[in-house]
Amino acid sequence: AQSVTQLDSHVSVSEGTPVLLRCNYSSSYSPSLFWYVQHPNKGLQLLLKYTSAATLVKGINGFEAEFKKSETSFHLTKPSAHMSDAAEYFCVVSNQAGTALIFGKGTTLSVSS
Amino acid sequence: GAGVSQSPSNKVTEKGKDVELRCDPISGHTALYWYRQSLGQGLEFLIYFQGNSAPDKSGLPSDRFSAERTGGSVSTLTIQRTQQEDSAVYLCASSLGRTGGTDTQYFGPGTRLTVL
Repeated sequence: AQSVTQLDSHVSVSEGTPVLLRCNYSSSYSPSLFWYVQHPNKGLQLLLKYTSAATLVKGINGFEAEFKKSETSFHLTKPSAHMSDAAEYFCVVSNQAGTALIFGKGTTLSVSS
Repeated sequence: GAGVSQSPSNKVTEKGKDVELRCDPISGHTALYWYRQSLGQGLEFLIYFQGNSAPDKSGLPSDRFSAERTGGSVSTLTIQRTQQEDSAVYLCASSLGRTGGTDTQYFGPGTRLTVL
């Protein structure tokens, strides 16, 4: 069965410093991986997705993630945090049939000034 | 264009009552999904529609939960004899319906269900 593990439930950074949100996946097939963001009282928004093309994926708002098969990781990074980045971030894997998304438990990102 | 819409945005009901939640997907999206977000369980898949058919119902937690989709568009999730553990935010998503798991799912704002 496929699954994702988000290694940190909460990450705190200062504005202007780098962001690293860690995700490991488990899958018996070549997975499609996603990062979604959920701002308070807002819907889920896709940040980026990996679908077996380039291993370094660029998303919206300056975020990017690198697919590392050898480490079964898909960590999300951003060079410089902004106050508006404060939100809940979900690492997600698609099931093999492509009929469902399997979500990690989420990482809450706090950004201080 | 218009995104996925859901109604109502909030629903408060009494234990044992039935509730219906509605989802309007993005026009032209053939695939539709229901998820549930709760504090204890996180985000869980419930059911997947391709057109009006539901080839994957594996996430429905009990036979009190059912869903239908008509005209390849609007979907209704029905919960019968609601229990307090059904309290959650119910999210609907839609996508173009391409195979292989690469589809981007676009989520609606959700319906917050509270069972008293």
